[in-house]
Amino acid sequence: EIVLTQSPATLSLSPGERATLSCRASQSLSIYLAWYQHKPGHSPRLLIYDASKRATGIPARFSGSGSGTDFTLTISSLEPEDFAVYYCQLRSNWPPMYTFGQGTRLEIK
Amino acid sequence: QVQLQESGPGLLKPSETLSLTCSVSGGSMTDYYWNWIRQPPGKGLEWIGYMYYSGSTNYSPSLNSRVTMSVDTSKNQFSLKLSSVTAADTAIYYCARDRVPGYNVHDAFDIWGQGTMVTVSS
Repeated sequence: EIVLTQSPATLSLSPGERATLSCRASQSLSIYLAWYQHKPGHSPRLLIYDASKRATGIPARFSGSGSGTDFTLTISSLEPEDFAVYYCQLRSNWPPMYTFGQGTRLEIK
Repeated sequence: QVQLQESGPGLLKPSETLSLTCSVSGGSMTDYYWNWIRQPPGKGLEWIGYMYYSGSTNYSPSLNSRVTMSVDTSKNQFSLKLSSVTAADTAIYYCARDRVPGYNVHDAFDIWGQGTMVTVSS
């Protein structure tokens, strides 16, 4: 079973700064890596799929990159509404299942 | 615009069976995979399993022995049953749709329900 490790656990930044969130897989992956934003009291929101493709309606300041075992979510210039918990997720071929990372909390500095 | 809504009892006793339904509105269930995900208090997201609209299923290995999913396309609903619950099953339960239609096509979840809190306590 593939394990996803996100770092850092907590990231403290100010609006306008650049955020870089990491997701590392225990085994090399295909491109089926997604990123979600999750705010308290809301359901998760898909940001990125296939490692680098923005989901419908997602602002261009969100970008995803990476391949193999190392993936990154970058928020180019933080807006106040971007402070939330971010999860990476993989879909493995065998066994066919989904796995989430433990999350990175992005908080206002 | 497709929307999902979870429903079911919010409080269970240990050893009981959790039963939740996800109602799909604004679109068809056909050709999509439908998922259940949960989030225990203070913890991260955990995928429980998925089912295809035709009824084929796949469950997380950690919950496989206790999970059953079913679908009723005539009502545009799918359901989750989790048997022999304990306090560790206390969580917000979400239903969600796979982004891309088609059999054996999966990559991410694009539409989520608002979630329903289930508490297991004696």
